[in-house]
Amino acid sequence: SQKIEQNSEALNIQEGKTATLTCNYTNYSPAYLQWYRQDPGRGPVFLLLIRENEKEKRKERLKVTFDTTLKQSLFHITASQPADSATYLCALQPTGNQFYFGTGTSLTVIP
Amino acid sequence: NAGVTQTPKFQVLKTGQSMTLQCAQDMNHEYMSWYRQDPGMGLRLIHYSVGAGITDQGEVPNGYNVSRSTTEDFPLRLLSAAPSQTSVYFCASSYSVTSGGAYEQYFGPGTRLTVT
Repeated sequence: SQKIEQNSEALNIQEGKTATLTCNYTNYSPAYLQWYRQDPGRGPVFLLLIRENEKEKRKERLKVTFDTTLKQSLFHITASQPADSATYLCALQPTGNQFYFGTGTSLTVIP
Repeated sequence: NAGVTQTPKFQVLKTGQSMTLQCAQDMNHEYMSWYRQDPGMGLRLIHYSVGAGITDQGEVPNGYNVSRSTTEDFPLRLLSAAPSQTSVYFCASSYSVTSGGAYEQYFGPGTRLTVT
């Protein structure tokens, strides 16, 4: 069956450290992989998109890697801040117009 | 720009009632979609549309209808509400950021629906 798994437990890190979140998938062949941020009671907000032929993408303090052999994406937030505390979702887009989301990882950055 | 707007924010229905969740966007995006979000399940695609007059089913379409008569609006209709449809519903609009069809999605604030 098709699965998208993110860190099953909440992640707590100290301010200033790098947070690393994982997204593993099985039985998908995504052409694109996206990361979103979701705050409580609000809709997800798009952060980054990476294509299957890209190994790494950066945007300010954010970095995403995509390994189609391992079927895994890693999402890094460097120099983390309390304002980065949120739930982070990964989403796969195989060729076509449908998206498949993981259940999300809750991140808390402790001052 | 208002972005993606959804109404109502909250709704309580009795089993068997019908209702329409409204979604509108002012970004002229061709692609719009409806998701439901349940604890432990992640966001699941209900229906989507790639342009006015074109709709298609997502992962969990049963019990829901959609239509797209204009670029701006994409209402979701619950035909006969069931307790299993208690969820948070998100509408999203997006545009293709690459020639290959990668979409950057913009989500609305959500509608929290309870069916008793």
